[in-house]
Amino acid sequence: DAMVIQNPRYQVTQFGKPVTLSCSQTLNHNVMYWYQQKSSQAPKLLFHYYDKDFNNEADTPDNFQSRRPNTSFCFLDIRSPGLGDAAMYLCATSKVKETQYFGPGTRLLVL
Amino acid sequence: GIQVEQSPPDLILQEGANSTLRCNFSDSVNNLQWFHQNPWGQLINLFYIPSGTKQNGRLSATTVATERYSLLYISSSQTTDSGVYFCAVNQAGTALIFGKGTTLSVSS
Repeated sequence: DAMVIQNPRYQVTQFGKPVTLSCSQTLNHNVMYWYQQKSSQAPKLLFHYYDKDFNNEADTPDNFQSRRPNTSFCFLDIRSPGLGDAAMYLCATSKVKETQYFGPGTRLLVL
Repeated sequence: GIQVEQSPPDLILQEGANSTLRCNFSDSVNNLQWFHQNPWGQLINLFYIPSGTKQNGRLSATTVATERYSLLYISSSQTTDSGVYFCAVNQAGTALIFGKGTTLSVSS
């Protein structure tokens, strides 16, 4: 089945220790998104790729970076995680301006 | 920016009851989606419905774009329907703007 896969499902890191979250898709969608969802809040877009074009939301902290080496994979790098970065990180994909499909998420804990 | 408001914020039902969830948005939209977030955090697509009416089993949705609202109907609710229901919209850009969600609890 075509799907969006995120690894790992749970990630524990130490304050200030860089961490990378992974997303892959078999839907062959040209747009990939990273959303952050803090506890009891709605998801909020961090950035997205339209093919290889990177688009950063205005209020996304500089601490967050992303890479998309090919159509299928996208990575979220958090350079120096703080306690406030503990959240669920959701990857989504879509064709342009069509339905967004979400992966199962990676829950990040910062100690 | 566009505002998305969902009501009610919380809903408690007995198994078998019907319910209506509402989503109001403050401007015209290109896209509207309804999601169910399960207890493990996954967002499951329910409907892509910028306008009109759709049905899928016990669930149906209606969006009246000219009046800027959408309704999600759940009939004969089951305990597995519990979770958070989000409405999300976007305009010309690609970001989905989410409402704060409705938390549904269905008890047997």
